[in-house]
Amino acid sequence: SQTIHQWPATLVQPVGSPLSLECTVEGTSNPNLYWYRQAAGRGLQLLFYSVGIGQISSEVPQNLSASRPQDRQFILSSKKLLLSDSGFYLCARRWQQNTEAFFGQGTRLTVV
Amino acid sequence: SQQGEEDPQALSIQEGENATMNCSYKTSINNLQWYRQNSGRGLVHLILIRSNEREKHSGRLRVTLDTSKKSSSLLITASRAADTASYFCATALEAAGNKLTFGGGTRVLVKP
Repeated sequence: SQTIHQWPATLVQPVGSPLSLECTVEGTSNPNLYWYRQAAGRGLQLLFYSVGIGQISSEVPQNLSASRPQDRQFILSSKKLLLSDSGFYLCARRWQQNTEAFFGQGTRLTVV
Repeated sequence: SQQGEEDPQALSIQEGENATMNCSYKTSINNLQWYRQNSGRGLVHLILIRSNEREKHSGRLRVTLDTSKKSSSLLITASRAADTASYFCATALEAAGNKLTFGGGTRVLVKP
């Protein structure tokens, strides 16, 4: 199974509020996990990826952070949201490098 | 800037026609992947082509890869209205195989 659980599907948050998006995956252990953000009508921007528990690579400096407390859990967080954090957030997994990615259904975040 | 860039940004065709879209990238890759995204949903993997392959087929999809030109193309033959979606290329870099970066996508509209 390559099931990826992402929730919530939609979220409206005020500027300055905290954020926590959780992604859990099923299937092969020790997957590579990814967080992407997509602006409306645009491509995917890689935010963070993780090759193992506690190992986080950050691609874009911003007020977001990621953590991987368990093998199949990847969390995207912010202490204080900005308007520019609005977007469609997608979690993905790959079972190893150089393979295809499987995506969750995404969370649409609107910061107001 | 993005590693992969798709061209055209948008494409409108009649059902039954072929749709061709291109992807250019900048850095040596291990493989190149094509994905499809229906509006507001997660991405679905279509085809993965490795750097030592030149062409790959899957049903009505044909992908080519020219590493000397750092470009790839996706051809959808005999298009259907259900093929309406955004299509993205993604590259796994030779120097960083765990990263998977996406282009801006091509929005395809197939008119019945």
